Amino acid sequence: DSGVTQTPKHLITATGQRVTLRCSPRSGDLSVYWYQQSLDQGLQFLIQYYNGEERAKGNILERFSAQQFPDLHSELNLSSLELGDSALYFCASSRGNSYNEQFFGPGTRLTVL
Amino acid sequence: GEDVEQSLFLSVREGDSSVINCTYTDSSSTYLYWYKQEPGAGLQLLTYIFSNMDMKQDQRLTVLLNKKDKHLSLRIADTQTGDSAIYFCAESPPSNDYKLSFGAGTTVTVRA
Repeated sequence: DSGVTQTPKHLITATGQRVTLRCSPRSGDLSVYWYQQSLDQGLQFLIQYYNGEERAKGNILERFSAQQFPDLHSELNLSSLELGDSALYFCASSRGNSYNEQFFGPGTRLTVL
Repeated sequence: GEDVEQSLFLSVREGDSSVINCTYTDSSSTYLYWYKQEPGAGLQLLTYIFSNMDMKQDQRLTVLLNKKDKHLSLRIADTQTGDSAIYFCAESPPSNDYKLSFGAGTTVTVRA
């Protein structure tokens, strides 16, 4: 158990819909990262937040957005869903200083029908 | 992860050593990592190496880093059935954001 929790574990929805994935980092971690794992793209970095502020953006679509709240949990919002958005979405957290060890949550499996 | 390359599959006999190879492109990467993903599970950090090191050993795991060739390897000694998983190599280029760039993953199958 990494100490990072993600909910829900599974999500099945239809095209065009909007979903919210939630992540709670390990106690004391200030950084949260979101990654997408799909068969064709592999593991791709989406976005990072540090202490409530966006720090870095990767291959994140404009239809996707995220935020980190004062209690440091984070939400990833996916809208106008397409079939190709079906993937495993991982959240990771780290202390956020020069030590780069990232701890991953169990992931949310999103299926878009 | 187009900047990090790994072979896709490795089959090894139980008790033998496994060697998983990875090449990366950013020579300024500060840390290089190996993660393990078991079926249906998240990623588990196995080990990492700082770029000023050539080798790191941790129980059955040995990481070798060749900076000149930008080559990283993970050796698992005495491979067990529980080592069957996907192994990801990842690099962390120096920046303020510490994001990871992953390879495609090597699926290791341990046969009896």
